[in-house]
Amino acid sequence: EAGVAQSPRYKIIEKRQSVAFWCNPISGHATLYWYQQILGQGPKLLIQFQNNGVVDDSQLPKDRFSAERLKGVDSTLKIQPAKLEDSAVYLCASSLGTGLVNGYTFGSGTRLTVV
Amino acid sequence: GQQLNQSPQSMFIQEGEDVSMNCTSSSIFNTWLWYKQDPGEGPVLLIALYKAGELTSNGRLTAQFGITRKDSFLNISASIPSDVGIYFCAGPEVNAGGTSYGKLTFGQGTILTVHP
Repeated sequence: EAGVAQSPRYKIIEKRQSVAFWCNPISGHATLYWYQQILGQGPKLLIQFQNNGVVDDSQLPKDRFSAERLKGVDSTLKIQPAKLEDSAVYLCASSLGTGLVNGYTFGSGTRLTVV
Repeated sequence: GQQLNQSPQSMFIQEGEDVSMNCTSSSIFNTWLWYKQDPGEGPVLLIALYKAGELTSNGRLTAQFGITRKDSFLNISASIPSDVGIYFCAGPEVNAGGTSYGKLTFGQGTILTVHP
C-alpha cells in the first residue's frame, strides 16, 4: 500500500513569509495528524483531524498556523507569517482510527528552514 | 501535559555490541511504543507494548513495559551498522475517560551510532 505522501520535502523561506505544506494520507485512514519536530527533539502534535473535523488543536499556534482537511482526505498546513523558531520538520501521519496508535504511519516530512 | 525522558541522549558503540536505552515518565501510560527514525524519514514503529510487565521481541529488539507503568526499556542485541538512527519512546495521551484518542507524546530520543 502507498504510504503517507508529503510535499515539498524541503523549503527555505525568509522570516515573515508564508509557506504551505501538503499531506495525502493512506487511503481509508480517517485520522490525520500534523506533528512538528524541532532538531534534537521528539515530534510534538500540532493538530489532529478525524475525517474533516478537528479533534485536538490545543498545541497549534493559531495566530500564525492554520490547517484544513476539507474533504476528509488530504490536508494542508500553513504558516503565515513564519518566524525563525518555526524551523523544523513537519511530519504528517495517518491512522485508521483515533485509538489505533499502533497503526500510525508517518510521512517523510517537510524540512522547513526560516532565515 | 505528559512528558517522557529518555536516556542516554546518545550512544556510540561497536558493531556486535548490545545496546540498552530507557524511557521514564512522571505519569502512567497504558501503552508504550518504540520508534526508530532514519535521517530524512519519519518515525517507524518497532515495538508496541500494551500491558504492565509485558516483554516483547521483534528480531534483535526486545522491549519491556515497566511494572509501575511509568517506564519502559528497549534492548538491541548484536548491533549492526543499519541500526544507526534515533530511537524514540512514545505513549498515547488519554482523555478524561481514560481512552486514547490518538495523540502521541514522544521522548526526546536516543541517537545511536554504530561503528563497523
